[in-house]
Amino acid sequence: AQSVTQLDSHVSVSEGTPVLLRCNYSSSYSPSLFWYVQHPNKGLQLLLKYTSAATLVKGINGFEAEFKKSETSFHLTKPSAHMSDAAEYFCVVSPYNNNDMRFGAGTRLTVKP
Amino acid sequence: GAVVSQHPSWVICKSGTSVKIECRSLDFQATTMFWYRQFPKQSLMLMATSNEGSKATYEQGVEKDKFLINHASLTLSTLTVTSAHPEDSSFYICSSRKPRRGNEQFFGPGTRLTVL
Repeated sequence: AQSVTQLDSHVSVSEGTPVLLRCNYSSSYSPSLFWYVQHPNKGLQLLLKYTSAATLVKGINGFEAEFKKSETSFHLTKPSAHMSDAAEYFCVVSPYNNNDMRFGAGTRLTVKP
Repeated sequence: GAVVSQHPSWVICKSGTSVKIECRSLDFQATTMFWYRQFPKQSLMLMATSNEGSKATYEQGVEKDKFLINHASLTLSTLTVTSAHPEDSSFYICSSRKPRRGNEQFFGPGTRLTVL
């Protein structure tokens, strides 16, 4: 079985400051891990994914995440927040080559001017 | 990236009526598509896995007679909410799994269903 825990339901940062969204996972198998972003009343957009290659994954819009097996974590970071980053972010775990994707509860990111 | 569309983007219906939502993969053939439900300010919950040419596989607690899924072609899956009630009001999102792209799913923009 696999699951993800997003440690913060809401994160608020000022524009231009770093972003850290935390995610811990549990998986019986070698996992694939994803971060998706959802803007209000919109579908999901893939930010980045980890599939057992490089542990530091770079995504779109300046986001990156590091897979740490020893800590079972896959935290999402960005050096400098932009107003357009305000959205809901979901961490997702899936066994490799398996349909079963499990979503975290989501973290709402607010960016203050 | 792959493109998945949903139609309609929003729908309002009366209690007791049925509503059909379409999910299309526009630039690839998807043997497997997925239907999710998202309540306000909550995460996505997988409802069912739709396989082309066979019956859908429903998650525990999802009524298959209430939520009818048809995956008649490699580019189209439909979800019909039968005899809709206000508690069925939700955001429904589909996704398609692209062959030879591992387990990455491409998501549609979602359909907002409001049942009066």
